[in-house]
Amino acid sequence: EPEVTQTPSHQVTQMGQEVILRCVPISNHLYFYWYRQILGQKVEFLVSFYNNEISEKSEIFDDQFSVERPDGSNFTLKIRSTKLEDSAMYFCASGGQGAEPQHFGDGTRLSIL
Amino acid sequence: DQQVKQNSPSLSVQEGRISILNCDYTNSMFDYFLWYKKYPAEGPTFLISISSIKDKNEDGRFTVFLNKSAKHLSLHIVPSQPGDSAVYFCAASAQGSARQLTFGSGTQLTVLP
Repeated sequence: EPEVTQTPSHQVTQMGQEVILRCVPISNHLYFYWYRQILGQKVEFLVSFYNNEISEKSEIFDDQFSVERPDGSNFTLKIRSTKLEDSAMYFCASGGQGAEPQHFGDGTRLSIL
Repeated sequence: DQQVKQNSPSLSVQEGRISILNCDYTNSMFDYFLWYKKYPAEGPTFLISISSIKDKNEDGRFTVFLNKSAKHLSLHIVPSQPGDSAVYFCAASAQGSARQLTFGSGTQLTVLP
């Protein structure tokens, strides 16, 4: 069964450094998403991406965040200058047309020191 | 933000019995509801979904019921198996929102052998 893959599984970064999280969505999906889950909290929506542009973003997704689909297969989340509070599990998801379920990767655990 | 609520953080059930997980929502714009299962160190795995035009959807041992007037949905697992032990998340989306998911806080299900 096709799946969403994320790399790395764990990223440790110094505060203030840039970090890029990578995702390979399911190949025939059109919608791409990033979510995060801070330890002990709910899974929160960050951003959705469709037709090579951001379609929705939450208030969490400020100017420090950006997303890109550089080559038609990868989907990346960049945090320009990381803060301690960015420490979380980051999940990538992809979905097909309309009301189809989103499928999630296993996440990247981001630890900011 | 409490648009989707799972009021039971945990549930224990004997193997072979029925597990019933509950979820309430407040946003009347939600029209698509999903249940995900999550094991530690893995991403959420899609289980079953239901559109607001239905009140029941069944897939094998899993059945989701939707009561729109009460803004309540439930997931029934019959019979429960030890392998079902995981955290179960309820999620909802609204039309026209790029289908971003709003998650509940999850219920830890433990199925006792």
